[in-house]
Amino acid sequence: AQSVTQPDIHITVSEGASLELRCNYSYGATPYLFWYVQSPGQGLQLLLKYFSGDTLVQGIKGFEAEFKRSQSSFNLRKPSVHWSDAAEYFCAVGYGSYIPTFGRGTSLIVHP
Amino acid sequence: ETGVTQTPRHLVMGMTNKKSLKCEQHLGHNAMYWYKQSAKKPLELMFVYNFKEQTENNSVPSRFSPECPNSSHLFLHLHTLQPEDSALYLCASSQAHDGGDTQYFGPGTRLTVL
Repeated sequence: AQSVTQPDIHITVSEGASLELRCNYSYGATPYLFWYVQSPGQGLQLLLKYFSGDTLVQGIKGFEAEFKRSQSSFNLRKPSVHWSDAAEYFCAVGYGSYIPTFGRGTSLIVHP
Repeated sequence: ETGVTQTPRHLVMGMTNKKSLKCEQHLGHNAMYWYKQSAKKPLELMFVYNFKEQTENNSVPSRFSPECPNSSHLFLHLHTLQPEDSALYLCASSQAHDGGDTQYFGPGTRLTVL
């Protein structure tokens, strides 16, 4: 069965610092990969997705993610974090017509 | 209206009440989903509808009853709920195809059961 792991429950960064949120998946085939962001009391908003092609994917709000098949990873990055980026981030993985499986989420805390 | 909308945004109900959550998608999608999001727990998939047909029911208690009258509307009927059912209920939609479903989520309904 497909699974996705977000090893960090919380991440704390200072405003202006760079950010990397980790996501690992387990399955043999090439997955479809997603990152979502959820602000308090809101639904999940799609940041970016990878289906095929270039392994470096650009998303909204200045985020990017890189698919590394050898490491079964799809880490999310941002070069300079803003206070408004404080939220919960979810990685999801899907295969073919299967419904994506979501990770447990990483809570991002931004210090001024 | 654009995207996926959900009403009400907040709901407080007693254990003997009957209420319904509504979801509407304006994206022309053919698949809709209900998720439950509780504090400290992963997102739980509850129900899936493809082309108005229920294709998945993840062992959800019968006190939750979904209804999908057309591909744009999805309801979740609630009756005799328990306090542990308090959570954020999220609706999502996607264009189901054999290439990975990108799901688009509504803002959720925050449900509190007293």
